[in-house]
Amino acid sequence: AQSVTQLGSHVSVSEGALVLLRCNYSSSVPPYLFWYVQYPNQGLQLLLKYTTGATLVKGINGFEAEFKKSETSFHLTKPSAHMSDAAEYFCAVRPLNSGYALNFGKGTSLLVTP
Amino acid sequence: IAGITQAPTSQILAAGRRMTLRCTQDMRHNAMYWYRQDLGLGLRLIHYSNTAGTTGKGEVPDGYSVSRANTDDFPLTLASAVPSQTSVYFCASSRTGTGAEAFFGQGTRLTVV
Repeated sequence: AQSVTQLGSHVSVSEGALVLLRCNYSSSVPPYLFWYVQYPNQGLQLLLKYTTGATLVKGINGFEAEFKKSETSFHLTKPSAHMSDAAEYFCAVRPLNSGYALNFGKGTSLLVTP
Repeated sequence: IAGITQAPTSQILAAGRRMTLRCTQDMRHNAMYWYRQDLGLGLRLIHYSNTAGTTGKGEVPDGYSVSRANTDDFPLTLASAVPSQTSVYFCASSRTGTGAEAFFGQGTRLTVV
């Protein structure tokens, strides 16, 4: 099954700094890609998704991600971190022709310092 | 709009006991899923159902069973709980379009002692 790798289980940034969370997927066939956020003691909430079309995808809360087929990557960025961005972030892939369930990465915990 | 409702929110369960985690959705999604979340392992798929009346095994199905009698409900049963099933369990649902996102419940924190 297609899988995703999130580089860095913990990322720390200063408030106002660029946020970059890395995600690579394992396939030469473009899949469907998602980023979810999980705040403490809550379920997962969709940030953004890539299906087809424009490779730069904008999501909620100022986040965006760029699908790069040549690099098999779907990194998540935000120009300026807020304290409220501190959370767990998950990259997920829905493999083509493999049903509808998502395969998740192991997650990256984002810490934002004042 | 409730979305997905899971019950109970948390539970402490003695090893060997039977337990059913409940999940109900009001979005009329055809597909439903159960994941478990463990520190450092992300979310792993336990079982799924693409439509009422059908179910399938995910990555970690052993020790769990599911049923899908109707569109709205997707209960997860632990027939005889073991400590390794201590985890946070999330139910999710989605439309069956390939680009459709999954919607998640708030989770059930289960501790098996």
